[in-house]
Amino acid sequence: EAGVAQSPRYKIIEKRQSVAFWCNPISGHATLYWYQQILGQGPKLLIQFQNNGVVDDSQLPKDRFSAERLKGVDSTLKIQPAKLEDSAVYLCASSSGPTGKLFFGSGTQLSVL
Amino acid sequence: RKEVEQDPGPFNVPEGATVAFNCTYSNSASQSFFWYRQDCRKEPKLLMSVYSSGNEDGRFTAQLNRASQYISLLIRDSKLSDSATYLCVVSPQAGTALIFGKGTTLSVSS
Repeated sequence: EAGVAQSPRYKIIEKRQSVAFWCNPISGHATLYWYQQILGQGPKLLIQFQNNGVVDDSQLPKDRFSAERLKGVDSTLKIQPAKLEDSAVYLCASSSGPTGKLFFGSGTQLSVL
Repeated sequence: RKEVEQDPGPFNVPEGATVAFNCTYSNSASQSFFWYRQDCRKEPKLLMSVYSSGNEDGRFTAQLNRASQYISLLIRDSKLSDSATYLCVVSPQAGTALIFGKGTTLSVSS
């Protein structure tokens, strides 16, 4: 079974630039999450989708971050404009139901200079 | 108060040692509890779920005390391969996203 796919693996940008991350969850998984993990911290939820609807985006900085999952499958997370403090690993995860078992992708490591 | 708090670590132990990690959570209505493991520069992976009755998986034992809002993970006979960060994870309610603690780093040396 294919795992959660994410791209790119690494991204380096300058502050105020834009960046987008892509995620393709495990086939059949209705729930998709984007987490931000800053070095030395645990993952922090940015947004949760159920199919193509948003379940929780309360911690998403909506002035600069946006995410979509238009067809209920793959998803894109965008940051515009980026700030230095956005340097982190952006993890996408999916699950088949409310079991607590999340399958994470390898993440995108973002460095904002 | 943070939603999920863990021992600060790091824990440096020799092979064969027994080590215990503790975690507390703030939301008394939380439904489900887990330990995830994260290797250096890798993604988190589910290690085990935690039940009120306690559960064991080989050398790993997890316990939950709902009254104290306390979760623990015990690792017996530590192996070099146990070196990782252990994340305490709580689900506030069914269908909501998991809340992760900061993690506790374990380093097992020979």
